[in-house]
Amino acid sequence: GQQLNQSPQSMFIQEGEDVSMNCTSSSIFNTWLWYKQDPGEGPVLLIALYKAGELTSNGRLTAQFGITRKDSFLNISASIPSDVGIYFCAGPGNYYGQNFVFGPGTRLSVLP
Amino acid sequence: DGGITQSPKYLFRKEGQNVTLSCEQNLNHDAMYWYRQDPGQGLRLIYYSQIVNDFQKGDIAEGYSVSREKKESFPLTVTSAQKNPTAFYLCASSITPPGNEQFFGPGTRLTVL
Repeated sequence: GQQLNQSPQSMFIQEGEDVSMNCTSSSIFNTWLWYKQDPGEGPVLLIALYKAGELTSNGRLTAQFGITRKDSFLNISASIPSDVGIYFCAGPGNYYGQNFVFGPGTRLSVLP
Repeated sequence: DGGITQSPKYLFRKEGQNVTLSCEQNLNHDAMYWYRQDPGQGLRLIYYSQIVNDFQKGDIAEGYSVSREKKESFPLTVTSAQKNPTAFYLCASSITPPGNEQFFGPGTRLTVL
C-alpha cells in the first residue's frame, strides 16, 4: 500500500525564520493535503492540492504539488510561536480513494 | 456552527471493559472515518463509512466495531478484544468525491487502566 515519508522528523527554528518541509510517496498521488495538529487536538486542514505543479498559498503558508506527483512541499514564512505543532501530509489511501493515508508528521518548535 | 464533535475528551476505562466513543457531525457529509493516533506516529485508519448503514474495515479494525444508523453519527466501540486500546482517537468526515478533503473532530484520549 501507499506509504508517505516526511522530512525532517522534527525541527527547531527561531521566530521569524522561514520553514521548509516535504513529503514523499512510494506511488503517484492525484491529491495532496497538508494538516497541522496542535497538542491534544484534531488535525486542521491547511492546504489541499489537486494538480501536479500546483502552488497554493494560505496566508504565510505555501504548498506545492510536485511535478513527479510523488512529492509535495510545505513552506512557512516568517514563523511565529503559534506555528508550533505537528504538520502532516496526506494522500489518497488504499480504499478506492475514500480515505487518506497520513505521513508520520514533522514536529515544529519555534524558539522565541 | 458546522463541525464535528467528539465526546468525551478524556475517557478512562478498566481493562476488559468495552467503551464507546461518540462522533457527531452537522456538515451534511456522507463519509465518516475513525483513526487511531499513538504518540509520535501518524494516523491509522480503523473504520470508514461512505453512507448510512454501510461501513468498511480500515487497516487496524481488529478489536473495534462501529455502526452508522444516522448520517450525522458514527460511534466507535473499543472492545475488550483490542489488545492495546490506550490511544488518541480521531473522527473525521468528508463529502463523497469529488472533493474528499477530510475534516477532523477534536479527538478523544482513551486510557485503559
